[in-house]
Amino acid sequence: SQTIHQWPATLVQPVGSPLSLECTVEGTSNPNLYWYRQAAGRGLQLLFYSVGIGQISSEVPQNLSASRPQDRQFILSSKKLLLSDSGFYLCAWSGTRGRTNEKLFFGSGTQLSVL
Amino acid sequence: GQQLNQSPQSMFIQEGEDVSMNCTSSSIFNTWLWYKQDPGEGPVLLIALYKAGELTSNGRLTAQFGITRKDSFLNISASIPSDVGIYFCAGAPRFGNEKLTFGTGTRLTIIP
Repeated sequence: SQTIHQWPATLVQPVGSPLSLECTVEGTSNPNLYWYRQAAGRGLQLLFYSVGIGQISSEVPQNLSASRPQDRQFILSSKKLLLSDSGFYLCAWSGTRGRTNEKLFFGSGTQLSVL
Repeated sequence: GQQLNQSPQSMFIQEGEDVSMNCTSSSIFNTWLWYKQDPGEGPVLLIALYKAGELTSNGRLTAQFGITRKDSFLNISASIPSDVGIYFCAGAPRFGNEKLTFGTGTRLTIIP
């Protein structure tokens, strides 16, 4: 069966520090991978998605970047965090390569607090 | 892009009551999904719908794909404490390169 791992679960970082969040998927090949952000009590905002290794699409201009160095690994990064980067970050995957309108399966999330 | 209006934004009910919530879109969708999110966790898929008029159940949960293809409904019967959380609808149009659009969520609280 497929599983998605996301870490860390909680992170407190000072303003201006770098960020690296990692997500890996097991039990499937060629998944589409996604990073979402959720502000407290709010909906889900799509940040990045990837349909293959090295292929990254950005949905909103921001202080963050994403990379996909391996088929089942997706990394969210920042060189210098801003206060506004605080939030709950969710990684997700879907099954059919290139199709981004399918059901998503989410990781357990990372709560990022930038102080 | 597509917009999803999910209502109500929040619900306060007593244990044992039935719950109804809905989503409407500004365009026709080919897929409707319903997720539940517990505090501090990622959303979990509850029900997936793929055909207009489709009615699908998952235990005490029942969801319907609206006939107009612009709306979907989720009902929870005989609510229990573990039903507390945020429920999200999500939909996608026909074409494969379109992403899912998520509703803003319905927060369900059960009053003791």
